[in-house]
Amino acid sequence: EVMLVESGGGLVKPGGSLKLSCAASGFTFSSYAMSWVRQTPEKRLEWVATISSGGSYTYYPDSVKGRFTISRDNAKNTLYLQMSSLRSEDTAMYYCARTGFDYWGQGTTLTVSS
Amino acid sequence: DIVITQDELSNPVTSGESVSISCRSSKSLLYKDGKTYLNWFLQRPGQSPQLLIYLMSTRASGVSDRFSGSGSGTDFTLEISRVKAEDVGVYYCQQLVEYPRTFGGGTKLEIK
Repeated sequence: EVMLVESGGGLVKPGGSLKLSCAASGFTFSSYAMSWVRQTPEKRLEWVATISSGGSYTYYPDSVKGRFTISRDNAKNTLYLQMSSLRSEDTAMYYCARTGFDYWGQGTTLTVSS
Repeated sequence: DIVITQDELSNPVTSGESVSISCRSSKSLLYKDGKTYLNWFLQRPGQSPQLLIYLMSTRASGVSDRFSGSGSGTDFTLEISRVKAEDVGVYYCQQLVEYPRTFGGGTKLEIK
């Protein structure tokens, strides 16, 4: 069974940093590109980042480019999202998803507030 | 960026009826390989989004055949036949033809 379990969310002050993790199991993690998607309090879904299966290629929307970094450790079957210079508009539930968005985790919540 | 547009609410439907949910893209999602890169998701209350349809009309693994997807390059429809109470939630469409990946705002399905 494919499972994706996110962790690392929390309350952070504006300008702060946080690193999210996503532990994957039930499939050959190193064969799949992976993504992060967030859902705002208004329930809007926003794609945040994608990384290729080997980690060589990464993609971001302009809203997070330069502030967020997606990475992976294929030996540990884990996906990461390093977030810095956080803003209130980054407040959301963060999901990791397998390529094609066919499997999603349960999400971890980030709140950016002073 | 490609803008994906959905109606916010569908008209409430009665269990057992059929319903169509629409999605419109500001740019064609037909890629040079002949495939149309549109996903449909259902997010039930309190749950993560679940993939229903990919490549505009292919049902994801385990998805009921009551769900079907169709469309052209820019206008898409998700049809749900014999609606059940478990179909309640928000339906999102998403384009994967180019970066940034973008989602529609979602359509909420209610049952009378």
